[in-house]
Amino acid sequence: QLQLQESGPGLVKPSETLSLTCSVSGGFVNSDTSYWGWIRQPPGKGLEWIGSIHYIGSTYYNPSLESRVTISVDTSKSQFSLKLESVTAADTAIYFCARNFYYMEVWGKGATVTVSS
Amino acid sequence: EVVMAQSPATLSVSPGERAVLSCRASQNVIRNLAWYQQKPGQAPRLLFYGASIRASGVPARFSGSGSGTEFTLTISSLQSEDFAVYYCQQYNDWPPYTFGQGTKLEIK
Repeated sequence: QLQLQESGPGLVKPSETLSLTCSVSGGFVNSDTSYWGWIRQPPGKGLEWIGSIHYIGSTYYNPSLESRVTISVDTSKSQFSLKLESVTAADTAIYFCARNFYYMEVWGKGATVTVSS
Repeated sequence: EVVMAQSPATLSVSPGERAVLSCRASQNVIRNLAWYQQKPGQAPRLLFYGASIRASGVPARFSGSGSGTEFTLTISSLQSEDFAVYYCQQYNDWPPYTFGQGTKLEIK
């Protein structure tokens, strides 16, 4: 059974870079039909898609975040990662990773990231 | 960007009754629409894709319908575990994938 698990610092200072990793188990990151995505949810609010990556390296980002986001994949470790630069308090959220075939099929449990000095 | 609007924001229904949740797209998304259920402290769970195709393990009391710009999620007889927040998401015109703001289904 496919499982995803987010990991990374829970506290990031303003203007710094948020970095999270999603570890995939019970399945293969190098699946031709799967993209791997990141979605976030600010406290008490709805869902926002951040971006997705295919294992060959194709990436798609939300235009609202594109200038600050990088998603990468490491097939040898069955992981994919998110970097969000120049964070502010508005980036405080729960960050979810998901297997993404247009819709989000399988989700990780989420990682809470707070931006604060 | 396709804007998704869900209504109502909050729906109060008694257990055993039927709940109908709506999702409207700002442009035609054909049937490229998914529904998710999110319970407090949990990740969202995929319920439907293709507007009406039930995901694995989703009970038959849940049904999805619609096409174009108007979509509906119906729960025929509410169980206690169904009270949650429900989101719709379009994947017809992306990036970006866009979600509705959610409907909170609460116990009346």
